[in-house]
Amino acid sequence: SAVISQKPSRDICQRGTSLTIQCQVDSQVTMMFWYRQQPGQSLTLIATANQGSEATYESGFVIDKFPISRPNLTFSTLTVSNLSPEDSSIYLCSVVTDEGYTFGSGTRLTVV
Amino acid sequence: RKEVEQDPGPFNVPEGATVAFNCTYSNSASQSFFWYRQDCRKEPKLLMSVYSSGNEDGRFTAQLNRASQYISLLIRDSKLSDSATYLCVVKGNNRLAFGKGNQVVVIP
Repeated sequence: SAVISQKPSRDICQRGTSLTIQCQVDSQVTMMFWYRQQPGQSLTLIATANQGSEATYESGFVIDKFPISRPNLTFSTLTVSNLSPEDSSIYLCSVVTDEGYTFGSGTRLTVV
Repeated sequence: RKEVEQDPGPFNVPEGATVAFNCTYSNSASQSFFWYRQDCRKEPKLLMSVYSSGNEDGRFTAQLNRASQYISLLIRDSKLSDSATYLCVVKGNNRLAFGKGNQVVVIP
């Protein structure tokens, strides 16, 4: 299955700042997905990042708050902008291959 | 109603015992079903896919009941290393829906 390198693994950020999370995949994939997992909650899909076109956002998530880049078939970034304590969560990227869905190791964000 | 519902537990299981839990889903058009395992502070990892005929992988057995819209996972001869959260994942309309997970704690 695909191997994903996700960075940073954790960060503590001030309110009002932004954090950019990177995911690098060891193979070319058509779609990459960005999820949020709040404490005690299930994974929620933020958006699907497609190479060569704008990301597709789920209900409740907007591009201004969660801008996504997908410059090529092996890399994507998610930025969480204008941070507030409610953004404290784990953020995960994911890809789908013939073997199924694989997740990055996650980024644990704490906003203070 | 949530797309995927699970009883979060925790399920405290004596080592060597059997534990089983279900997950219900709301979308009758769902196409694929999975159990993922998530260890504390780690990412989810695929445990097994769930097939209509039911399937077994070692000590783990998964079942699907489309009529009642639930899937189940049974773990036999529980090991301490089985302690984790088991996420029910349902695929439909080319997207995944996740349950909150069943937390399993295997006790020595």
